[in-house]
Amino acid sequence: GENVEQHPSTLSVQEGDSAVIKCTYSDSASNYFPWYKQELGKRPQLIIDIRSNVGEKKDQRIAVTLNKTAKHFSLHITETQPEDSAVYFCAASPGGSYIPTFGRGTSLIVHP
Amino acid sequence: DADVTQTPRNRITKTGKRIMLECSQTKGHDRMYWYRQDPGLGLRLIYYSFDVKDINKGEISDGYSVSRQAQAKFSLSLESAIPNQTALYFCATSDPQGYRINEQFFGPGTRLTVL
Repeated sequence: GENVEQHPSTLSVQEGDSAVIKCTYSDSASNYFPWYKQELGKRPQLIIDIRSNVGEKKDQRIAVTLNKTAKHFSLHITETQPEDSAVYFCAASPGGSYIPTFGRGTSLIVHP
Repeated sequence: DADVTQTPRNRITKTGKRIMLECSQTKGHDRMYWYRQDPGLGLRLIYYSFDVKDINKGEISDGYSVSRQAQAKFSLSLESAIPNQTALYFCATSDPQGYRINEQFFGPGTRLTVL
């Protein structure tokens, strides 16, 4: 089955800095890569996703990049704000079922 | 608003007890899931169901069972709870034809402690 590795497990930045979270996947059949954000005490929510036929996608201050050849994808957050503090999960999904396999999560802390 | 709900929200039980966690949804989705969240281990899939007559094991199904009583209801049972089943449990639903492919809509979670 699919195996998703996510790094780092913890990331601490100053407000206004950029943050990058990296994930790798093992199954070449995976073709959809969502990212979820979980604020403290809340449920995870999807914030951005990318399909395998696209190399990069942006939504305001967040962007995702995908390198299919290397089987890795990344989340980029620019101009970080304290409200970006949360746990972020990457996931990889195969075509057909699109059931996600999640990474272990990155705890992002943005210091004011 | 359409939502996913879970009961109970918190539960403390003892080793060997049978316990059921319940999930209901008003989103009209056919697909439902049970995940377990442990610190540092992410979200791991326990069971999933694509419709009322469909039940599938996930990554970590041992020690768990499920029942899909209706399109809107999916319950998770621990037949004989053990301490390493202490975790945060999430139910989720999805629509594979949605704008975002199979986006997982999570419930608020049930925090289970097994003593």
